Amino acid sequence: NAGVMQNPRHLVRRRGQEARLRCSPMKGHSHVYWYRQLPEEGLKFMVYLQKENIIDESGMPKERFSAEFPKEGPSILRIQQVVRGDSAAYFCASSPMKGNQPQHFGDGTRLSIL
Amino acid sequence: QKEVEQNSGPLSVPEGAIASLNCTYSDRVSQSFFWYRQYSGKSPELIMSIYSNGDKEDGRFTAQLNKASQYVSLLIRDSQPSDSATYLCAVNIDQAGTALIFGKGTTLSVSS
Repeated sequence: NAGVMQNPRHLVRRRGQEARLRCSPMKGHSHVYWYRQLPEEGLKFMVYLQKENIIDESGMPKERFSAEFPKEGPSILRIQQVVRGDSAAYFCASSPMKGNQPQHFGDGTRLSIL
Repeated sequence: QKEVEQNSGPLSVPEGAIASLNCTYSDRVSQSFFWYRQYSGKSPELIMSIYSNGDKEDGRFTAQLNKASQYVSLLIRDSQPSDSATYLCAVNIDQAGTALIFGKGTTLSVSS
């Protein structure tokens, strides 16, 4: 499968626990973007990364949220001490290295907080 | 505050009709424009991209861009029940490739 791969598809956490969401971009893509979609809301940008660099994290909450895209392995979106309001669908998208190409989305991770 | 506005709908059209979806954006330096389709509970799927003024056609889909009016639209000809979904307009303001700003989407319902 050459598409954007996200796992897990569904994640259930209790309040106060940590959530780790993973994303492997499409083959040949080096730009990764994370978006959050709350129920009945539009997609909201969170963070944009390239390998080993955070390029733009202007949409990321200042506390509890972090993201990385290491030299080897998938990009990780980490949410510490989760709260009920973190329940949402988290989508990862990727685009090629050069130019302003469209972003292609993974199937998302549905995060539920008990 | 950069914004992308869409009529939330629902937009209801009969099978075989033309569906017209509209989107306006606030930032004049916007560079790239995209339409995504999202079925309920699924991820956004890219349908069209458009970068310059005018029309761009791909099969039953036509995207129209008017930068002077800050307006982009999507026409779906010969609408099918399988086109029933939420259509998301997205705008990118930076040629280097940064965040997409999404509208909240228009829900389209095609009745057979």
